[in-house]
Amino acid sequence: QKEVEQNSGPLSVPEGAIASLNCTYSDRGSQSFFWYRQYSGKSPELIMFIYSNGDKEDGRFTAQLNKASQYVSLLIRDSQPSDSATYLCAVNPTSGKVIFGPGTSLSVIP
Amino acid sequence: EAGVAQSPRYKIIEKRQSVAFWCNPISGHATLYWYQQILGQGPKLLIQFQNNGVVDDSQLPKDRFSAERLKGVDSTLKIQPAKLEDSAVYLCASSLRPSTDTQYFGPGTRLTVL
Repeated sequence: QKEVEQNSGPLSVPEGAIASLNCTYSDRGSQSFFWYRQYSGKSPELIMFIYSNGDKEDGRFTAQLNKASQYVSLLIRDSQPSDSATYLCAVNPTSGKVIFGPGTSLSVIP
Repeated sequence: EAGVAQSPRYKIIEKRQSVAFWCNPISGHATLYWYQQILGQGPKLLIQFQNNGVVDDSQLPKDRFSAERLKGVDSTLKIQPAKLEDSAVYLCASSLRPSTDTQYFGPGTRLTVL
């Protein structure tokens, strides 16, 4: 089992819809979870981080963490074409080394 | 606040040649990371420095890759000799503290090995 898994996509949603991106991880002791956005040809940039179970909201973005089920998700409300990018889930397991998932490609169709 | 600087931005070399990449982290950031990102994949950590000491280099192919961070600031990553499969984007990132902190990425160096 890979340490961090994501659906590779591409995930296509119409403009204005909710995009749901999911990530599962294998190390039950993982403590910190990050979502990065990467536009084509650019470097990753942080969108959100979450440490505690539950939801964390920041504008149109909501991160959801369920440690018991070992998954973290990112919801993007009112999706815009500018949200079209690859979304990387990163997890900080007990080893202390941040592990990135393979990324999910999101396409928001106008 | 200046971001993470990297150079060169692009490099094309023949296999078996050598290449070096340079990174200057955000001022005050003690932790520096080098990642390799192959097209269509997530970044893979090659080496992590805390100040000028190595924290993790478990995925660094040490027979051909080397890295140093002198004086705990700038860092260089070297490949010698390069192989075709080294073609990738090499990303440098820095953070205030290790692992639990947000990482700030530089623009990356796109390496093509012919």
